[in-house]
Amino acid sequence: EKMMTQSPATLSVSPGERATLSCRASQSVSSNLAWYQQKPGQAPRLLIYGASTRATGIPARFIGSGSGTEFTLTISSLQSEDFAVYYCQQYNTWPPDTFGQGTKLEIK
Amino acid sequence: QVQLVQSGAEVKKAGASVKVSCKASGYMFSNHYMHWVRQAPGQGLEWMGIIDPRGASTSYAQKFQGRVTMTSVTSTSTVYMELSSLRSDDTAVYYCARDRSGWEGCMDVWGQGTTVTVSS
Repeated sequence: EKMMTQSPATLSVSPGERATLSCRASQSVSSNLAWYQQKPGQAPRLLIYGASTRATGIPARFIGSGSGTEFTLTISSLQSEDFAVYYCQQYNTWPPDTFGQGTKLEIK
Repeated sequence: QVQLVQSGAEVKKAGASVKVSCKASGYMFSNHYMHWVRQAPGQGLEWMGIIDPRGASTSYAQKFQGRVTMTSVTSTSTVYMELSSLRSDDTAVYYCARDRSGWEGCMDVWGQGTTVTVSS
């Protein structure tokens, strides 16, 4: 069974600092990995696809990296609007039904 | 601009059915498959299935097989998701989301969500 495991579950970081979120796949997903951001009461928003390509309109401080089974989302200098829940999702194998459980990024 | 607008909140009794709509605008409707994803209160994202907006084919998550039906009306650029035999654990926000590229699996535009509450 495909699984995506995100760590940590909660990350406390101060504004202006760097945040590093991890996502691990139970089997290789090549570079078919997306990251989404979700704020309370809002729909998810696509940040990164293809493991490292920023979606339209996403600021350069959001950096995706990795391939195979290990992936990282780095937010280089946290802004107040970045505090949210982040999900990774694999779409290498069909169906693309595997989301990570999410990492909550909170203000320290 | 590219937009997905969903129908309003629903309250249903256990055992009933619900049908949620998702109207697309700002792009060529037939060029992008549409996913449905749900989120139970305080929980993560759960993929339900996908439809070719031209109506040619669907693929449903095994969990929802037999209970979910996704349809499309190209003349109005609208897709629908109907879930039957509702249970209390179907209470969730239901989202439609456009596939970024064909049947790729990555979702680049999301609807605002439709809250479905199932009461016993």
